Amino acid sequence: GNSVTQMEGPVTLSEEAFLTINCTYTATGYPSLFWYVQYPGEGLQLLLKATKADDKGSNKGFEATYRKETTSFHLEKGSVQVSDSAVYFCALRSAGGTSYGKLTFGQGTILTVHP
Amino acid sequence: GAVVSQHPSRVICKSGTSVKIECRSLDFQATTMFWYRQFPKQSLMLMATSNEGSKATYEQGVEKDKFLINHASLTLSTLTVTSAHPEDSSFYICSAGSLAGGPGRQTQYFGPGTRLLVL
Repeated sequence: GNSVTQMEGPVTLSEEAFLTINCTYTATGYPSLFWYVQYPGEGLQLLLKATKADDKGSNKGFEATYRKETTSFHLEKGSVQVSDSAVYFCALRSAGGTSYGKLTFGQGTILTVHP
Repeated sequence: GAVVSQHPSRVICKSGTSVKIECRSLDFQATTMFWYRQFPKQSLMLMATSNEGSKATYEQGVEKDKFLINHASLTLSTLTVTSAHPEDSSFYICSAGSLAGGPGRQTQYFGPGTRLLVL
């Protein structure tokens, strides 16, 4: 079945530091890949997505590139801010089979950014 | 942008009672709604997928008779936790899929979640 594995947190950084959160996946076919962010007490918000190999999703300074050869979709940001403190989820959406259309989430990575 | 609401945001109930959680898509029609459960410091686990006007499809291991899902309209789905017990305490999150693109390409918009505590 499909699965998503994220680096374990929590991740603690100082403001303006470089961020990488690793994400690898297992899926059949050609899934779409997503990063969602969850701020304290809120639901999930879509941060960025990529739907095919070598696509780069980007939003609010965050980037992730769909790497089929390494089955990865690592999240990066060059300079984090305190307001980026949240939980980040990597997810995939299956392209077919019995899991068609469903999202499979990683375990989430807590990011805390200090001033 | 697409907005999904959930009500209530937080509920405390006694063991043995039933609790209903509403999920509404406020500015778009959602043919498909998803219900997730999130345990503390853990990921979201899909419980069921509901399509408007038809029976929900439950994931393996999810009790259909305990977690009743109704999707009566294109903007409303409800999850009822029947005869709740302390182990049902959790954070329940719904998402609504927009019509565009079909089930394999639709974007899911998430509600803010409902925290259930069963005493």
